[in-house]
Amino acid sequence: DAGVIQSPRHEVTEMGQEVTLRCKPISGHDYLFWYRQTMMRGLELLIYFNNNVPIDDSGMPEDRFSAKMPNASFSTLKIQPSEPRDSAVYFCASSLTGTGQETQYFGPGTRLLVL
Amino acid sequence: AQTVTQSQPEMSVQEAETVTLSCTYDTSENNYYLFWYKQPPSRQMILVIRQEAYKQQNATENRFSVNFQKAAKSFSLKISDSQLGDTAMYFCAFYRYNQGGKLIFGQGTELSVKP
Repeated sequence: DAGVIQSPRHEVTEMGQEVTLRCKPISGHDYLFWYRQTMMRGLELLIYFNNNVPIDDSGMPEDRFSAKMPNASFSTLKIQPSEPRDSAVYFCASSLTGTGQETQYFGPGTRLLVL
Repeated sequence: AQTVTQSQPEMSVQEAETVTLSCTYDTSENNYYLFWYKQPPSRQMILVIRQEAYKQQNATENRFSVNFQKAAKSFSLKISDSQLGDTAMYFCAFYRYNQGGKLIFGQGTELSVKP
């Protein structure tokens, strides 16, 4: 298995632009998670899906952030408009179940820089 | 709310020696999981070891072992025979049982293994 795939790996954009991050979970995994990592706040969960349905989006910073999962093999995290404080590494992870008995497998992350 | 605290921002160890990374957590739950994740310079998040709270026996994975003290809410990671490839950020994480996979991470400990 190729593991969790994220694209792009690096993104540099200007303030005000729309940014779309993409994730392909491991095949057969029912749970997908989006995390953000910054020096100030560490690793924080933004949103997670179960069977393509958003379950908990309480970590999404504000309305500028949105996430979708149109099918079991694809998810997007969109920031519109982007701001310099959104600069971070964004991770996607997936797991077979949400019980904790199954490992969450992380993708390589997308390093976002908003100028 | 659950919190996870790693009180050692940085640590170093000589190659082949043993090092222990500390983690404490706060919860009122009785059933939960604890994890140690490794993040090398590549930024990939890699699961190192997992402990189920209802198991008294400490988890081990080759050179990695934990000291799980449930009453004290302590979960330390011991790395034996440290190798240069162990150089990474290490994150302790908490998961509340059957709560949909919501991992709560500590701030991390940066470990340097010196030759």
